[in-house]
Amino acid sequence: NAGVTQTPKFRVLKTGQSMTLLCAQDMNHEYMYWYRQDPGMGLRLIHYSVGEGTTAKGEVPDGYNVSRLKKQNFLLGLESAAPSQTSVYFCASSYSGRLGSLYEQYFGPGTRLTVT
Amino acid sequence: KNEVEQSPQNLTAQEGEFITINCSYSVGISALHWLQQHPGGGIVSLFMLSSGKKKHGRLIATINIQEKHSSLHITASHPRDSAVYICAVRSGTASKLTFGTGTRLQVTL
Repeated sequence: NAGVTQTPKFRVLKTGQSMTLLCAQDMNHEYMYWYRQDPGMGLRLIHYSVGEGTTAKGEVPDGYNVSRLKKQNFLLGLESAAPSQTSVYFCASSYSGRLGSLYEQYFGPGTRLTVT
Repeated sequence: KNEVEQSPQNLTAQEGEFITINCSYSVGISALHWLQQHPGGGIVSLFMLSSGKKKHGRLIATINIQEKHSSLHITASHPRDSAVYICAVRSGTASKLTFGTGTRLQVTL
């Protein structure tokens, strides 16, 4: 199993350009998440999904859109990139399981995005 | 005030030392996670706990729900333990996590 993979690993964009980050997991997890990690700050949740066809906003959703057309894939889109979106982006997935059960999140390797 | 506070922010230790990293949180939680992030950037889950204590090798995690506090201990530290250790709490729906800013640990020979 590959676990959680992210594409691309690095990207440089100019202000105003658009791009899509792809997250894929092969563990049949229901839950998927997109986070961003900035220096001096903890990981912050951008958007998440509790199942195929569903998405929801997290803590910092502005400037991003997401889609979950297939259970194994979770896409993060930047329609018009801004320098404030320079960050490292992590995708994660988790099994939902029974109510009250504990399941860990599995993280992808990250995508380093620079917007100039 | 952040919902999840970690201390210290930075820690340098000599090989063999006993290390403690602390995490305090201000919200009701269903679980607390300890994660490790190596210099290459990858994040792995170390522990997930909702009460008591867990041990894995040289790592021990404890949580006190009443005091809203958790500790991560590393016994007989080794340079390969050098990493950023992140505390995260789970609350609300969809198992969403709120993260601390991390503790950067450097273990020297």
